Amino acid sequence: NAGVTQTPKFQVLKTGQSMTLQCAQDMNHNSMYWYRQDPGMGLRLIYYSASEGTTDKGEVPNGYNVSRLNKREFSLRLESAAPSQTSVYFCASSGGASGGWTQETQYFGPGTRLLVL
Amino acid sequence: QKEVEQDPGPLSVPEGAIVSLNCTYSNSAFQYFMWYRQYSRKGPELLMYTYSSGNKEDGRFTAQVDKSSKYISLFIRDSQPSDSATYLCAMSAFDTGTASKLTFGTGTRLQVTL
Repeated sequence: NAGVTQTPKFQVLKTGQSMTLQCAQDMNHNSMYWYRQDPGMGLRLIYYSASEGTTDKGEVPNGYNVSRLNKREFSLRLESAAPSQTSVYFCASSGGASGGWTQETQYFGPGTRLLVL
Repeated sequence: QKEVEQDPGPLSVPEGAIVSLNCTYSNSAFQYFMWYRQYSRKGPELLMYTYSSGNKEDGRFTAQVDKSSKYISLFIRDSQPSDSATYLCAMSAFDTGTASKLTFGTGTRLQVTL
């Protein structure tokens, strides 16, 4: 099992450019998440998908869009990148609405480092 | 004030020392408590989880929750250089039927020296 995979690993963008970050999981999890991690700020939730076909805003959704393509894949799109979106982006997944630890424990991918100039 | 507070460190200890990492929180609804380990330039890795109050032990690691004080701890015995990483606490107020909603601490950077 690869767990949670993310592509690309590293990307440099110019202000105003767009890009899509890809995430896939092979653990048959229902729920998927996108976070950004900045020094001193910790992990902040951007968007999440509780189950296939649903998406919801997290703490910092402005400037981002998401698509839950199928049960395995959850993408994050920056339509017009800004320097403030320079960060490390992590995708995570969890078992979903089956209760208990299956629902609550999240498993993370290796991250995408994004630099916006 | 943040819901979860964690000292950022860095915390530097000699090999073999006992390490204590801590988080405090303000939301009394939190029931699930987790510790993640994050190596440099890697994703967070789930290390331990506990429910409500009490202790849980796994090898050299012990997780402790004191809900009355809103305080959680992770103890590492016989620390090794390979334990050098950033440790993130995370917690949630379980809500049946939805995705998990974890609140993370900012992480404590640990350096174990030879």
